[in-house]
Amino acid sequence: DGGITQSPKYLFRKEGQNVTLSCEQNLNHDAMYWYRQDPGQGLRLIYYSQIVNDFQKGDIAEGYSVSREKKESFPLTVTSAQKNPTAFYLCASSLGIQETQYFGPGTRLLVL
Amino acid sequence: SQQGEEDPQALSIQEGENATMNCSYKTSINNLQWYRQNSGRGLVHLILIRSNEREKHSGRLRVTLDTSKKSSSLLITASRAADTASYFCATPRGGATNKLIFGTGTLLAVQP
Repeated sequence: DGGITQSPKYLFRKEGQNVTLSCEQNLNHDAMYWYRQDPGQGLRLIYYSQIVNDFQKGDIAEGYSVSREKKESFPLTVTSAQKNPTAFYLCASSLGIQETQYFGPGTRLLVL
Repeated sequence: SQQGEEDPQALSIQEGENATMNCSYKTSINNLQWYRQNSGRGLVHLILIRSNEREKHSGRLRVTLDTSKKSSSLLITASRAADTASYFCATPRGGATNKLIFGTGTLLAVQP
């Protein structure tokens, strides 16, 4: 998992609640990413950030929000607008957009 | 949409045998990457092959790239039970926002 950490490992969300997933890296990488993985599926890109204070929507951004106030941190908020949030969420970082991506250990989000 | 499609979806072999996984993609690329994911964990980068390379080795891994057929293969020789994991190929998405697109993966089970 390298120098990228995610917390918590498991997260439970109640109906109508917003929850925030943490992602921190000490690799001095400029680019960071959030992916969603459903059982038996590949990764789908939620949001990505090429540089501090900038981020772009991925393929499935609806119901999610992010911020990139620091180079090391890229938190993901799953809002109440996301109707099917149960999934495995993976954060990654890279030196540049097409470079090798380093992944965190993931956060599994479950809805109560 | 998924650019990379892995084949087969699942593969079961005996320890010591070789395992071959294939990846097909749709558009021109400048590199292709292979990642491994153990169950419930983040992805780990295995190898990157550039479009001007035809073959690349890393330990027991051998990757080939055929840009005319838009396909790549990952060969794991002398497999071990610890190789049991899902394997994903990833290709950069072209255009103004280059980023990786991951395939749906091949689940490899190595029986001891």
